[in-house]
Amino acid sequence: GAVVSQHPSWVICKSGTSVKIECRSLDFQATTMFWYRQFPKQSLMLMATSNEGSKATYEQGVEKDKFLINHASLTLSTLTVTSAHPEDSSFYICSARDTQGETQYFGPGTRLLVL
Amino acid sequence: AQSVTQPDIHITVSEGASLELRCNYSYGATPYLFWYVQSPGQGLQLLLKYFSGDTLVQGIKGFEAEFKRSQSSFNLRKPSVHWSDAAEYFCAVAPRAQKLVFGQGTRLTINP
Repeated sequence: GAVVSQHPSWVICKSGTSVKIECRSLDFQATTMFWYRQFPKQSLMLMATSNEGSKATYEQGVEKDKFLINHASLTLSTLTVTSAHPEDSSFYICSARDTQGETQYFGPGTRLLVL
Repeated sequence: AQSVTQPDIHITVSEGASLELRCNYSYGATPYLFWYVQSPGQGLQLLLKYFSGDTLVQGIKGFEAEFKRSQSSFNLRKPSVHWSDAAEYFCAVAPRAQKLVFGQGTRLTINP
């Protein structure tokens, strides 16, 4: 149980294009999902907290117009990187918190490369 | 603000040897405590968690962790490591049902 999937696992895109990453909780409902970014050999950096049916809460320094988050259902949250640039290249990981609000389960991550 | 310290950036142990990864946190009350493991290029897998009760917690893959309130520590242990345990290990804490705060991670290398 408690499986979180992400799609795609790898994406390469041209500078200026937009990329959408999906995060799904497969066997549980998640009122809250989180989006993280991870640079090589570093810990996870929280980008935003996504609550089902409401606007996401972004961490300080994260551009909400660049990283659009939608959490339309209890099992799906999406992150759209708009007008991507090479500096947006990174490993993006989502997590979903169970409805008891105690544990976050992580997806396998999406590696984004912007050329 | 709460913080998590993993003092060891990199640890190398021989296969079959015992392992202890350290984690200290700073928070006024006892938060929820977690250990996650990340293999290269992968997401994080939950090893174990502590909310309350017995301070010795058993997890998956033969790992255990002990919560020590007096030391604000939550160290991860395994009596005998396997080559497949080589990975990055993250300690994390969360005040009740709030966002996780991660340590910087400890990279574990296993010598054959």
